[in-house]
Amino acid sequence: DQQVKQNSPSLSVQEGRISILNCDYTNSMFDYFLWYKKYPAEGPTFLISISSIKDKNEDGRFTVFLNKSAKHLSLHIVPSQPGDSAVYFCAASANAGKSTFGDGTTLTVKP
Amino acid sequence: NAGVMQNPRHLVRRRGQEARLRCSPMKGHSHVYWYRQLPEEGLKFMVYLQKENIIDESGMPKERFSAEFPKEGPSILRIQQVVRGDSAAYFCASSPFTGNTEAFFGQGTRLTVV
Repeated sequence: DQQVKQNSPSLSVQEGRISILNCDYTNSMFDYFLWYKKYPAEGPTFLISISSIKDKNEDGRFTVFLNKSAKHLSLHIVPSQPGDSAVYFCAASANAGKSTFGDGTTLTVKP
Repeated sequence: NAGVMQNPRHLVRRRGQEARLRCSPMKGHSHVYWYRQLPEEGLKFMVYLQKENIIDESGMPKERFSAEFPKEGPSILRIQQVVRGDSAAYFCASSPFTGNTEAFFGQGTRLTVV
């Protein structure tokens, strides 16, 4: 029973365009959502987060949108840069507990 | 301020041996999480510890796996009698407090069972 799902294993975009990474969840108790970025042979690094009381959080080129009724969140990267090429993990937690991760989406940004 | 330190980075064990993975959290962090990533899969939660206490071990296999986070020293993930299916990358993360906050990950230990 996978509670956090990233249905697109990979995404390829052109440099300068927008990258949209999607994530769906099933557990209505989740109240905090995070995105992590991971390069090969390294650990994940935190990118951006959002609380369930908000529907949008922005940090520079990165914006996370949360649609609670649809149990869906998305990460927008604009403009995309080649250095953004990595695996992106969506994660969710409930009541300040452990984070549950999706399987990741590999983003490739082409120059 | 050093980040989360995991060692060894790579560990090779023969079937039936024991594997010990170490994690030193960031300075001032008292919450440690262990995750496992199998090939082509995401990060799967294993265990959440605070100093000297196991808070949530719902992701730990019932046998052969154990974890500790003593008052002094690193957190240890111990796998007894390893099998080929234990081959994976094991990541440790730490956070300074409980609550809605991000975790800081180490670079992981890649365990290979031959």
